[in-house]
Amino acid sequence: GAVVSQHPSWVICKSGTSVKIECRSLDFQATTMFWYRQFPKQSLMLMATSNEGSKATYEQGVEKDKFLINHASLTLSTLTVTSAHPEDSSFYICSAGSRGGGEGYTFGSGTRLTVV
Amino acid sequence: GESVGLHLPTLSVQEGDNSIINCAYSNSASDYFIWYKQESGKGPQFIIDIRSNMDKRQGQRVTVLLNKTVKHLSLQIAATQPGDSAVYFCAENGGYSTLTFGKGTMLLVSP
Repeated sequence: GAVVSQHPSWVICKSGTSVKIECRSLDFQATTMFWYRQFPKQSLMLMATSNEGSKATYEQGVEKDKFLINHASLTLSTLTVTSAHPEDSSFYICSAGSRGGGEGYTFGSGTRLTVV
Repeated sequence: GESVGLHLPTLSVQEGDNSIINCAYSNSASDYFIWYKQESGKGPQFIIDIRSNMDKRQGQRVTVLLNKTVKHLSLQIAATQPGDSAVYFCAENGGYSTLTFGKGTMLLVSP
């Protein structure tokens, strides 16, 4: 089945620094990738949708200059949290795939970001 | 029992019982629904899906029921096992490949 690899699984960074999270589709070409954020005991909230070769579409309230998304190839999307602050500490999860079907929504294993 | 707010609703069952997890969705135009299982510190894992032209779909030990009239989705797990303990989310697709997730239910299975 479809596999999405997300790296790193956890990261601790100092306030003010930037952190990059990678999301790769291992055995299929992902025309679209989704980035979610999840706080403890809460649901997944969609941050942005990216299509290969075009700009990401951000959900309302998500700062595009703070959460930089790059989807330069059909197998790789990156999320960079710039100038991270403690309130950015969260669980970030990517999803990759093409339209329709459960395979179209295969999720990565998530990245636990802690900003100190 | 259940609690609201920042606490996930919790369903506690004994091993071997059948579990039923419910979900109310919001968009009457949604045509595709998925149930996910999420274990602590991991990403959501696909369980089963259903399209709006169906009202029931069965998998291995799981059944999803869809009632479009009242916008309700349920996940039934037969012979629940301790390994089924996790948080379960329903998700709906309104037609643009973007999923909207429900609030989630924590399932606790006691041996």
